[in-house]
Amino acid sequence: QSVLTQPPSASGTPGQRVTISCSGSSSNIGSNTVIWYQQLPGTAPKLLIYGTNQRPSGVPDRFSGSRSGTSASLAISGLQSEDEADYYCAAWDDSLNGPVFGGGTKLTVL
Amino acid sequence: EVRLVESGGGLVQPGGSLRLSCAASGFTFTTYYMNWVRQAPGKGLEWVANIKQDGSEEYYLDSVKGRFTISRDNTQDSLFLQMNSLRAEDTAVYYCARGEDYDDPGDYWGQGTLVTVSS
Repeated sequence: QSVLTQPPSASGTPGQRVTISCSGSSSNIGSNTVIWYQQLPGTAPKLLIYGTNQRPSGVPDRFSGSRSGTSASLAISGLQSEDEADYYCAAWDDSLNGPVFGGGTKLTVL
Repeated sequence: EVRLVESGGGLVQPGGSLRLSCAASGFTFTTYYMNWVRQAPGKGLEWVANIKQDGSEEYYLDSVKGRFTISRDNTQDSLFLQMNSLRAEDTAVYYCARGEDYDDPGDYWGQGTLVTVSS
């Protein structure tokens, strides 16, 4: 049972815009920045978004992050086949005194 | 180029011990927190522990407190995880990850090392 809640799956067609949600509480998303990772099959997680809405260099601007209250979202526009992967959200939790993750969302490009 | 290479995983019996290592290169090791994050087979990510730049502060997941110890050798740019009293539920791929600060689970990750706890 993950502290942050994500839908187990999402899907879209090439070119479409897809949004993945991440629900938390006042002790994590509500008071700390959110991070998003992309994990391609058989590989290590890769940083996609940090500071809730900042992209590291090299990450396409098709990826964007946002937060509203105790929930966060990752939006992917202009969906491409290579975006098919697992996506995880994370945030520091003030009550647990450590970073917590969502259970992950498997994105399928139809 | 940032590089993190884990080693030390393997098969161990319940109650046994294992020591994981992570060799870092391509960045100034002493200026970053370092994390261990694990992923059970077919499951999501779970942060395990992290350690401050100078090794003076450590944070742990509650379920590993008293059993796991994180440490670092800044002279060798290396990170370690001593795992004792291992349980079946500790079975996972263990990733070493570099963190900007105490609240950052990692911006760069290694390829991981598999730990299997089974009789």
